[in-house]
Amino acid sequence: AQKITQTQPGMFVQEKEAVTLDCTYDTSDPSYGLFWYKQPSSGEMIFLIYQGSYDQQNATEGRYSLNFQKARKSANLVISASQLGDSAMYFCAMREDVASGGSYIPTFGRGTSLIVHP
Amino acid sequence: GAVVSQHPSRVICKSGTSVKIECRSLDFQATTMFWYRQFPKQSLMLMATSNEGSKATYEQGVEKDKFLINHASLTLSTLTVTSAHPEDSSFYICSARFDPGNTEAFFGQGTRLTVV
Repeated sequence: AQKITQTQPGMFVQEKEAVTLDCTYDTSDPSYGLFWYKQPSSGEMIFLIYQGSYDQQNATEGRYSLNFQKARKSANLVISASQLGDSAMYFCAMREDVASGGSYIPTFGRGTSLIVHP
Repeated sequence: GAVVSQHPSRVICKSGTSVKIECRSLDFQATTMFWYRQFPKQSLMLMATSNEGSKATYEQGVEKDKFLINHASLTLSTLTVTSAHPEDSSFYICSARFDPGNTEAFFGQGTRLTVV
């Protein structure tokens, strides 16, 4: 079964507007971490943001924020004020913690391709 | 963030030859390194997990004799694609982690392998 689901294969946004990339996850582990990575056409994976399952507040890093809704098991990435350089693939990932039976190995979603229009 | 260097970034080799890809953690000691394969427009597929000084753990369906992984030191892991075939052409990317606890893994730049 898919542990990470990204339902949007492609998204388009106008420059300077905000965009939300969806991510839902499946785990029975009480302790886990959620990540978002950006992969530009060059191929490198760039870490954007992290949310721990016990974190009370939504994570934010500059223009990136993670809308964490634990009961719904969703961890959507919000990019504010989109820039042309934000065009890339975006991957959501989850790591279940070994203390409660997980393996610490991150599992990735299928990714969402974001294109920012001028 | 921590720096992981992967080399080479691109390699073209002939069928039947072997190719070695290096993954180095430059400013931290990586207790665990992961090797992924990524097909065009697809997600990352975990191939194996390697811990320094011990044998790699391969994911189901990954041929350990074809994809040799060596994690000889805390800063270097290598992936050797042996007797490469055109179907091995892909993007290979490594990531490294220095704490099995709650830190993110840092990725190398990836290697585009083309077997002709």
